[in-house]
Amino acid sequence: EPEVTQTPSHQVTQMGQEVILRCVPISNHLYFYWYRQILGQKVEFLVSFYNNEISEKSEIFDDQFSVERPDGSNFTLKIRSTKLEDSAMYFCASSQDRPENNYGYTFGSGTRLTVV
Amino acid sequence: GQQVMQIPQYQHVQEGEDFTTYCNSSTTLSNIQWYKQRPGGHPVFLIQLVKSGEVKKQKRLTFQFGEAKKNSSLHITATQTTDVGTYFCAGPLGNTGKLIFGQGTTLQVKP
Repeated sequence: EPEVTQTPSHQVTQMGQEVILRCVPISNHLYFYWYRQILGQKVEFLVSFYNNEISEKSEIFDDQFSVERPDGSNFTLKIRSTKLEDSAMYFCASSQDRPENNYGYTFGSGTRLTVV
Repeated sequence: GQQVMQIPQYQHVQEGEDFTTYCNSSTTLSNIQWYKQRPGGHPVFLIQLVKSGEVKKQKRLTFQFGEAKKNSSLHITATQTTDVGTYFCAGPLGNTGKLIFGQGTTLQVKP
């Protein structure tokens, strides 16, 4: 079964440092997403991406965050200057079409980001 | 803004007992999706319901979508230890392409 691949599985970084989280969505999917989950809490939307641009972003997704699809297969999330409160599990997801058109997401296994 | 609420937050059951989690949206949904997250894992798509009043079954799991398309439930008959995890409902936010998740119900099953 096709998978969404995320790397690294765990990243530890110092506060103020930049991190890049990487994802390879399923090849025939057109919509890409980043969500985050603080330990034991709900899965929170960060950003959606389609046709090489951001479709929607949440209030969490401020100027410190950016996304890119640099080469047609990778989908990256960059946090420019990490804060302690950015510590969370970050999930990438992809879908063939939008959820309101009755398509579900396939999630990657996540990157656990720890900011110290 | 649109909210998706789930109850209960936690449920501990004895193996063999039934389990139900309930999901309510503040707005009418075009569909409702259910995901399962095993401890330490990632959300995995289980099913989606589209039609008003729809009922779908997957082995011991029964999913319902309310008549008004604002609520849903997941019922597990005769729980097993493999059912342990957090069950999330999720609904699309309008035509934004964004899926809003409920807080999840974490199921613990005592053998």
